[in-house]
Amino acid sequence: GENVGLHLPTLSVQEGDNSIINCAYSNSASDYFIWYKQESGKGPQFIIDIRSNMDKRQGQRVTVLLNKTVKHLSLQIAATQPGDSAVYFCAEKGARAGGFKTIFGAGTRLFVKA
Amino acid sequence: GAVVSQHPSWVICKSGTSVKIECRSLDFQATTMFWYRQFPKQSLMLMATSNEGSKATYEQGVEKDKFLINHASLTLSTLTVTSAHPEDSSFYICSAYLAGDSEQYFGPGTRLTVT
Repeated sequence: GENVGLHLPTLSVQEGDNSIINCAYSNSASDYFIWYKQESGKGPQFIIDIRSNMDKRQGQRVTVLLNKTVKHLSLQIAATQPGDSAVYFCAEKGARAGGFKTIFGAGTRLFVKA
Repeated sequence: GAVVSQHPSWVICKSGTSVKIECRSLDFQATTMFWYRQFPKQSLMLMATSNEGSKATYEQGVEKDKFLINHASLTLSTLTVTSAHPEDSSFYICSAYLAGDSEQYFGPGTRLTVT
C-alpha cells in the first residue's frame, strides 16, 4: 500500500520548545493537505489543513507550511506541551484512481520531555 | 461537531471465523465512508471507499471477498472480515465524509485480534 512506513521516526523536544514535523508528499494533484494527531489506541484527530493554493496557514499554536515546489509539508507546534505527545501524520486529499481519497504519510512520533 | 462511532472498540476472534465492525455517523449523513487498516507503528492504509447504496471501491491489494463492506444507509457502514487469520489482526479505522465539507471525520478505531 501507499505511504506505509516500517518504523515511525521520532522527534523528542523539551516542554516549551517549538516542534517542527516534516512530511514529503507525492501527488501533485492533491487539493488539501492535512495534519492529524493520533494518540495510542485512538483514531486520528484533525489538527489543521491547508489548501493546495496556499503556502501557510496558522491555527492555535500550530502552523502548517506547504512548499509545492519540493512537495514538502511541515507542522510547527509552538510552546510544545506534554499533551502534544502523540504520533503526527500528514495526509493528502485529492482525486485519485477510484475517487476522492485521503492518503496518509508515514507519521512521526513526538515525545515531549517535561 | 461531527461524531463517528465504531463498534466494537475491540474484538478477539478465533482463526477461521468472521467478524463484523460497524461504523456510524452519529449526527450527520455521510455520503462516503472510508475504511483504513493500521498495523503497529505504521501509518493508516486505505482499504476501501464506500458510497451509500453502491458497491465499495477497494484499493489495490485488498481482497474484496475477504473484507466485505456494506454501506446500506447514510449513517452506517459495516466491514466484515471473513475467515479471519492472525495476520488480519490490526487496528481498523473508519472515517466519514460529508459532501461539500472538506473535512473527514474519523472513528475511534476497532482493535481486532485473531487467535
